[in-house]
Amino acid sequence: AQTVTQSQPEMSVQEAETVTLSCTYDTSESDYYLFWYKQPPSRQMILVIRQEAYKQQNATENRFSVNFQKAAKSFSLKISDSQLGDAAMYFCAACLRAAGNKLTFGGGTRVLVKP
Amino acid sequence: DAGVTQSPTHLIKTRGQQVTLRCSPKSGHDTVSWYQQALGQGPQFIFQYYEEEERQRGNFPDRFSGHQFPNYSSELNVNALLLGDSALYLCASSLRLAGADTQYFGPGTRLTVL
Repeated sequence: AQTVTQSQPEMSVQEAETVTLSCTYDTSESDYYLFWYKQPPSRQMILVIRQEAYKQQNATENRFSVNFQKAAKSFSLKISDSQLGDAAMYFCAACLRAAGNKLTFGGGTRVLVKP
Repeated sequence: DAGVTQSPTHLIKTRGQQVTLRCSPKSGHDTVSWYQQALGQGPQFIFQYYEEEERQRGNFPDRFSGHQFPNYSSELNVNALLLGDSALYLCASSLRLAGADTQYFGPGTRLTVL
């Protein structure tokens, strides 16, 4: 079994500033993938970034980057130069290759962006 | 390139009724997964379909069943609805051969059970 934990229910950031969202996971498997999804009020889950566990290099996608600490089972998301459109719920999720394509999600972190 | 579509957008049912939700996967995808998202929580995996068969199932009762059609579209059926079934139901599609491929989500169906 695997679990994903997001310990921050809500984070607030000033526009143009940087915010970091925390995520920890627990699995005994070695082959897995980690994801951050964004869910705005429109409800549609949008992929933000993906990290393969076998890759040591942290994934980046424009203003979004991750800090993947495999030994610590930590997978944080950094949003740089925050924009009003970044306001949403952010979910961390894990997928074990051995378990097929089933995603296990954390409870989410709400990001508020102040103008 | 058409993304994942779901219908209907909203649905209101009463306890004991049955409901069917529909999903069309992203073009080129062959695997459909269904998730239930209760208010204020992260999505929970219900089941996954590939080649018209249920391949994986989460911790949901048999009242939840599904189907996948030859064109890869899928249905989620819930029988004997309970108040606790009120949630956002999300469909996600992916490509099986890609292994742990990224799942792309539809806009969801909001089910309210009265």
